[in-house]
Amino acid sequence: SQTIHQWPATLVQPVGSPLSLECTVEGTSNPNLYWYRQAAGRGLQLLFYSVGIGQISSEVPQNLSASRPQDRQFILSSKKLLLSDSGFYLCAWSLGSGWGHEQYFGPGTRLTVT
Amino acid sequence: KQEVTQIPAALSVPEGENLVLNCSFTDSAIYNLQWFRQDPGKGLTSLLLIQSSQREQTSGRLNASLDKSSGRSTLYIAASQPGDSATYLCAVSYGAGNNRKLIWGLGTSLGVNP
Repeated sequence: SQTIHQWPATLVQPVGSPLSLECTVEGTSNPNLYWYRQAAGRGLQLLFYSVGIGQISSEVPQNLSASRPQDRQFILSSKKLLLSDSGFYLCAWSLGSGWGHEQYFGPGTRLTVT
Repeated sequence: KQEVTQIPAALSVPEGENLVLNCSFTDSAIYNLQWFRQDPGKGLTSLLLIQSSQREQTSGRLNASLDKSSGRSTLYIAASQPGDSATYLCAVSYGAGNNRKLIWGLGTSLGVNP
């Protein structure tokens, strides 16, 4: 069976510090991978998606970046965090091309920027 | 503009009641529609996925219907239980191939009281 992991589960970082969130998927190959942010009172916002190693599409211009160094590993990074980066970050995967396939979510990372 | 709206934002019911959660979308040219459940501080769990050619999907006590012409989907929960308490999110898939995207509602927060 497939599982998706995210770490850390919670993170408190000062403004201006770097960020690295990791997501890994087990039990499947060549998944589509997604990073979402969920801020209080707002819906899920797609940040990045990837259809393969080294292939990253950005949905929203911001100070965040994503990388996919391995087939089942997706990393969200920032060189300098802003207060507005606080939120709940969710990684998801799906099989097949496009968005019409069912997405499976990780447990999330709660990021608080102070 | 493609928008997804979920009403009500919050709902509280006594245990045992049958209830309906609503999701409306402005653009009826959908690819599919998904219902998710999110427990506080947790990731999302996919409940049901309805393809645009389908009218409903059922899983246990859950039944989701889709009416594209009226731009509506409902999630019916039979014999509600305290364990059903969570936020329920609706996501609509549009487009084709690499241009496909998911539009998310803000969710309905459900509380089932014992």
